[in-house]
Amino acid sequence: AQSVTQLGSHVSVSEGALVLLRCNYSSSVPPYLFWYVQYPNQGLQLLLKYTSAATLVKGINGFEAEFKKSETSFHLTKPSAHMSDAAEYFCAVSDDRGSTLGRLYFGRGTQLTVWP
Amino acid sequence: EPEVTQTPSHQVTQMGQEVILRCVPISNHLYFYWYRQILGQKVEFLVSFYNNEISEKSEIFDDQFSVERPDGSNFTLKIRSTKLEDSAMYFCASCGLADSNEQFFGPGTRLTVL
Repeated sequence: AQSVTQLGSHVSVSEGALVLLRCNYSSSVPPYLFWYVQYPNQGLQLLLKYTSAATLVKGINGFEAEFKKSETSFHLTKPSAHMSDAAEYFCAVSDDRGSTLGRLYFGRGTQLTVWP
Repeated sequence: EPEVTQTPSHQVTQMGQEVILRCVPISNHLYFYWYRQILGQKVEFLVSFYNNEISEKSEIFDDQFSVERPDGSNFTLKIRSTKLEDSAMYFCASCGLADSNEQFFGPGTRLTVL
């Protein structure tokens, strides 16, 4: 089974500062990797995904993530935080690359707070 | 933009009662999932469904749980006899392309078992 570790359950940054949310995964084969965002009282929205094309993946709202196989990491970054980025962020890995029905394994989530 | 919808948004029930959580996946999707998130914990996989049958289920998905696609649009999760520990947010997801595994999630149903 896969596992996902998100370092830091809470991250606080000032508006305009760099956002860095960490994610490490365990997988015996290169997986599909995802970052989801959850705003209060809403469902999970896909921010970006890695599916073996470019290792630097760009997503919505100015976020990007870099797949580093040697470090088994998929950290999420944004150069300049905005107040509207305050939310909970989940890293997820698929069960089996190429599987038609791969379940997702989620990390515990990181709550991002943005200070004015 | 197409989206996954779920009803109700909040369900309160007594322990031992049956509940049915409803989901309408995106219309041309073929793969369906249920996940749950107990307050303060990870989002956990429950079950996946394809071609009118369960494809995979987790250890959480015991005999008290069942899923059904009763018509061409709805996808339901039934809990036969709810327990206190079933209190959680339940998310439905659907996926249209097997090779990308991009799952689209609904807003969730918050189930409270008293």
